[in-house]
Amino acid sequence: QKEVEQDPGPLSVPEGAIVSLNCTYSNSAFQYFMWYRQYSRKGPELLMYTYSSGNKEDGRFTAQVDKSSKYISLFIRDSQPSDSATYLCAMNGNTGNQFYFGTGTSLTVIP
Amino acid sequence: NAGVTQTPKFQVLKTGQSMTLQCAQDMNHEYMSWYRQDPGMGLRLIHYSVGAGITDQGEVPNGYNVSRSTTEDFPLRLLSAAPSQTSVYFCASSRWGRGEQYFGPGTRLTVT
Repeated sequence: QKEVEQDPGPLSVPEGAIVSLNCTYSNSAFQYFMWYRQYSRKGPELLMYTYSSGNKEDGRFTAQVDKSSKYISLFIRDSQPSDSATYLCAMNGNTGNQFYFGTGTSLTVIP
Repeated sequence: NAGVTQTPKFQVLKTGQSMTLQCAQDMNHEYMSWYRQDPGMGLRLIHYSVGAGITDQGEVPNGYNVSRSTTEDFPLRLLSAAPSQTSVYFCASSRWGRGEQYFGPGTRLTVT
């Protein structure tokens, strides 16, 4: 079983829609949770960073962590064509120095 | 701050050739790492370092060497390139081995 599972999509939504992206994980020691956005032929860009459980909001983006269910989410409100990218979840914890990544979800926002 | 920089952006090698991918960061981060990204497989960790003089293997270390003589630089060496090493390589850094990690723009490597 992979440490981190992420639905690869692709996901296609109309402009203005609310997008929900999700990852599940198996290691209960994970405490740090990240979301990255990766545009085509570019490096991953850190979008959101959360420590432990709870919600974090930044503009149109909200990250949620539910450690009891080992489930994290990224919500994008009022989605824009510029949000079209691949979104990667990542996490680590006090288990060592490695970061664990999902395989990414490809999102297209249609004008 | 330039953040994490990588050179070259593109490289074509013949099988058996060797080369070094350069990575530098100006954020005084202790933790640096190298990943390769292949379609459908996500990011896979090759090697990482928790500080100058300290390196360790990741998930896919075979065929690659690293060293860390300074905090800023973390080069990745391909010893004898193989077509299976055709990939996009990303370097990343983090203040600690936890939490926020920042990526460079990547090096696209093709081995023929």
